[in-house]
Amino acid sequence: GENVEQHPSTLSVQEGDSAVIKCTYSDSASNYFPWYKQELGKGPQLIIDIRSNVGEKKDQRIAVTLNKTAKHFSLHITETQPEDSAVYFCAGRDTNAGKSTFGDGTTLTVKP
Amino acid sequence: DSGVTQTPKHLITATGQRVTLRCSPRSGDLSVYWYQQSLDQGLQFLIQYYNGEERAKGNILERFSAQQFPDLHSELNLSSLELGDSALYFCASSVEGSNTGELFFGEGSRLTVL
Repeated sequence: GENVEQHPSTLSVQEGDSAVIKCTYSDSASNYFPWYKQELGKGPQLIIDIRSNVGEKKDQRIAVTLNKTAKHFSLHITETQPEDSAVYFCAGRDTNAGKSTFGDGTTLTVKP
Repeated sequence: DSGVTQTPKHLITATGQRVTLRCSPRSGDLSVYWYQQSLDQGLQFLIQYYNGEERAKGNILERFSAQQFPDLHSELNLSSLELGDSALYFCASSVEGSNTGELFFGEGSRLTVL
């Protein structure tokens, strides 16, 4: 089955700096790669996603890149703000098969 | 608000007991997923149901079981509870057949086993 590894487990940046979180996956059948943000006491919420036929996607300060050959994808947050502080999860999914496999999460702290 | 409702939000019980967690998916979503999140841990997939049928199974213990009812709500039953079962249990739903496969999560049920 799919195995998703996520690094780093914790990340601390100064407000205004950029943050990068990286994930690797094992299953070539995975074709959908979402990123979820989990704030304290809440359930994870999708912030951006990318499909396997796309190499990069951007939404304001957030971008995701995908390298299918190397089986890795990354989340980039620019101009970080204190409200970006949360736990971020990457995931891989074969949309024909069902379940999403999540990475172990990255706790991002943005210091004002 | 994701549209996914989980009850109860908090539950405290003793070892050996049995509890039931309930999930109502978003209107129109046929798939329901259950995930377990232990302290400082990631999201561990337990089980998926699609339109009443079990579709995928993860690392779900034999003491745990789930079902999805005709009205599409789902219940996760945890029995013979142990201290290590203390965790946040999330339910998520999705629209199967979509190209994205986005999961919509509820706010979780926090189970504490004493």
